[in-house]
Amino acid sequence: GEDVEQSLFLSVREGDSSVINCTYTDSSSTYLYWYKQEPGAGLQLLTYIFSNMDMKQDQRLTVLLNKKDKHLSLRIADTQTGDSAIYFCAEATGGYQKVTFGTGTKLQVIP
Amino acid sequence: DAGVTQSPTHLIKTRGQQVTLRCSPKSGHDTVSWYQQALGQGPQFIFQYYEEEERQRGNFPDRFSGHQFPNYSSELNVNALLLGDSALYLCASSLRVGEQYFGPGTRLTVT
Repeated sequence: GEDVEQSLFLSVREGDSSVINCTYTDSSSTYLYWYKQEPGAGLQLLTYIFSNMDMKQDQRLTVLLNKKDKHLSLRIADTQTGDSAIYFCAEATGGYQKVTFGTGTKLQVIP
Repeated sequence: DAGVTQSPTHLIKTRGQQVTLRCSPKSGHDTVSWYQQALGQGPQFIFQYYEEEERQRGNFPDRFSGHQFPNYSSELNVNALLLGDSALYLCASSLRVGEQYFGPGTRLTVT
């Protein structure tokens, strides 16, 4: 079955890079996502990567996918205080794209 | 262009009651998925609707049911509410595989 795991907490200084890691179990994943959730809010789609890609870059965000190890990472360059939030990794599986989420990584940015 | 909207924002119900939550998808989107997010957890997939049919379902009891209308909007119904049903209920819409957008959610409290 599907299972997605993330570390619970990450603290970085403003201006540094943040790297949030995720592992998943289902080798038939088609898409892998990163979502951001601020307190009391819904989920904001940050970026996603198709499973046959190794890397995707979008402005300050870089996604790396190691399909062999079933490992996904999100790098945020020049982290700002506005990046403080919970980041969820998620995978889509099956023909109808059922999405399974991790438990989220809380990113704290220290000014 | 309005994004995904949900109503109501907050709701308080008593154990044993029934509740209906509503979702309007992003313009042009034809698929709606519902998720339950308990405090401190990642969203859990409830079910997905496409062409007014439930296309797939997560591990939720039959007390959770839904409906999709011809205009693609959707309802989530929960019968015989339990204290454990207290959560943030999120609706997500999509058109193409890979891009799923979330609404702000409905916070349900069962007392």
